[in-house]
Amino acid sequence: QKEVEQDPGPLSVPEGAIVSLNCTYSNSAFQYFMWYRQYSRKGPELLMYTYSSGNKEDGRFTAQVDKSSKYISLFIRDSQPSDSATYLCAMGGATNKLIFGTGTLLAVQP
Amino acid sequence: SAVISQKPSRDICQRGTSLTIQCQVDSQVTMMFWYRQQPGQSLTLIATANQGSEATYESGFVIDKFPISRPNLTFSTLTVSNMSPEDSSIYLCSVRTVMNTEAFFGQGTRLTVV
Repeated sequence: QKEVEQDPGPLSVPEGAIVSLNCTYSNSAFQYFMWYRQYSRKGPELLMYTYSSGNKEDGRFTAQVDKSSKYISLFIRDSQPSDSATYLCAMGGATNKLIFGTGTLLAVQP
Repeated sequence: SAVISQKPSRDICQRGTSLTIQCQVDSQVTMMFWYRQQPGQSLTLIATANQGSEATYESGFVIDKFPISRPNLTFSTLTVSNMSPEDSSIYLCSVRTVMNTEAFFGQGTRLTVV
């Protein structure tokens, strides 16, 4: 079993839709969680960083962490074609090593 | 956040040759890392670049194949040695100011070995 599982997609939605991206993990030692957006031929760009269970909102993006279920989500409201990218979850614990999901490819259709 | 400059952005190399990738950060950072991202796969940590000492390699990666230098707090290089087509990948430099904080990435180096 992988430490982090992420549905690779592709996920296709119409413009304006609410997008839900998810990751599950097995290691209860993970303490903090990140979401990255990666456009084609670019490096990952940090979107959200969360340390505790609950929700964190930043503009159209909401990160949700449920440590009891070992489940994290990223919600994108009012999705735009410019949101089309690969979204990676990442998590870490007491060591300096981050574990990444495989990424979900999102396409927002105009 | 840190601004990371990575070069070259891409290269096509002959098998058996070596390529050195440079990573420059605009501020002093505690930790620098090198990752590999193969098509359709997750980011895989190659090694942690330690300032003034040997890098710490992850399982499956060795110094002879991926020598790393970090002469100061803002600069590191990764060399991919004796390349084969299996080394074709995206190589990414990443930095963190301290442990348990956000990681930032460079734009990546897209390497094709022919």
